[in-house]
Amino acid sequence: AQSVSQHNHHVILSEAASLELGCNYSYGGTVNLFWYVQYPGQHLQLLLKYFSGDPLVKGIKGFEAEFIKSKFSFNLRKPSVQWSDTAEYFCAVNALSGGYQKVTFGTGTKLQVIP
Amino acid sequence: EPEVTQTPSHQVTQMGQEVILRCVPISNHLYFYWYRQILGQKVEFLVSFYNNEISEKSEIFDDQFSVERPDGSNFTLKIRSTKLEDSAMYFCASSVDGADQETQYFGPGTRLLVL
Repeated sequence: AQSVSQHNHHVILSEAASLELGCNYSYGGTVNLFWYVQYPGQHLQLLLKYFSGDPLVKGIKGFEAEFIKSKFSFNLRKPSVQWSDTAEYFCAVNALSGGYQKVTFGTGTKLQVIP
Repeated sequence: EPEVTQTPSHQVTQMGQEVILRCVPISNHLYFYWYRQILGQKVEFLVSFYNNEISEKSEIFDDQFSVERPDGSNFTLKIRSTKLEDSAMYFCASSVDGADQETQYFGPGTRLLVL
């Protein structure tokens, strides 16, 4: 079964600081990788996704993530965070299970950006 | 842009009562899912549904839970006799198909509080 690890549970940054959130997964087959964001009081929104091709994927709001297959990692980055980026970020893996897709989420990283 | 919608946004119920959480998936989507997120914990897969039957379910989805597509638009999750530990945010999701390379779109969630 697939699993996802997010090692940073809570990150506090000042505005304009650079961000990198770690995500590691375990699964023996082909995976699709996602980052979702959950702003306070709102629902999960897709930030970016990797299916195949260029391992560096760009998402909305200036976020990007790099898939490193050898490290089973899919870290999320942003060069300069803003206060509005305060949210919880979930890494997720989508893999076929019994012929149907199933998304497995990490435990989430709470990002707090201080103005 | 089409969205998954869920009602109600909040529900408070007494332990032992039945609750029905409702979801309207995106209209051309064929696969439907329920996830839950207990406060402070990660999002967990509950069940996937296709062609009017459950395609996969997790160990959380026991006999107290059931899902149904009562008409052409709604997708419901019923908890027959709620327990305190059922208190969580319940997310519905849908996807166009269940293929490996597919994105699930999430609704805003229903926050269930069991007293």
